[in-house]
Amino acid sequence: GAGVSQSPSNKVTEKGKDVELRCDPISGHTALYWYRQSLGQGLEFLIYFQGNSAPDKSGLPSDRFSAERTGGSVSTLTIQRTQQEDSAVYLCASHLGGTRYNEQFFGPGTRLTVL
Amino acid sequence: AQSVTQPDIHITVSEGASLELRCNYSYGATPYLFWYVQSPGQGLQLLLKYFSGDTLVQGIKGFEAEFKRSQSSFNLRKPSVHWSDAAEYFCAVGASNNDMRFGAGTRLTVKP
Repeated sequence: GAGVSQSPSNKVTEKGKDVELRCDPISGHTALYWYRQSLGQGLEFLIYFQGNSAPDKSGLPSDRFSAERTGGSVSTLTIQRTQQEDSAVYLCASHLGGTRYNEQFFGPGTRLTVL
Repeated sequence: AQSVTQPDIHITVSEGASLELRCNYSYGATPYLFWYVQSPGQGLQLLLKYFSGDTLVQGIKGFEAEFKRSQSSFNLRKPSVHWSDAAEYFCAVGASNNDMRFGAGTRLTVKP
């Protein structure tokens, strides 16, 4: 596609349930990031994938959070046993790779609400 | 770790007036600096970036930013604001350890 896409756009779930958020990066982009955007908190780095290298998971807030990237393309962020504090907008971004400081292209985000 | 502070949570300017959004960073080495804009319901879009060289960088939509190492600042400016500039603006600093940190954002309201 023309840009980074994310699905679903909105997700409402009950506390304790697991959720999966999907990101389709721009074709050919080898680098992919997940961020969390909470109200008034800016963007919080979660995880970074670069090609076939081991992902940088240093931003994941707890072991309830995990992410995969299959075939170097689509990525899924999974949150297990969701808590109310997990409510936020989850943003995915991709870039061409190589130097990390190429422009990141962001998706529209998934708004997660945990009741 | 690096960090970014955007001191102004919300700014209101009149259409046609000049704009300056403040950004201060903390990082021990040469920073990589960015400004992104997020319009309502849209994803983040890169306005401009600084890696090295000329400390005054030009971006899209008539924005510019100046890197001032002595002040650890990277303020965003625009000489004449348009109503379509109303959005959330994020400053970000990239470090050598594959980590980009964003500020909390500044929400810009444009009065007619």
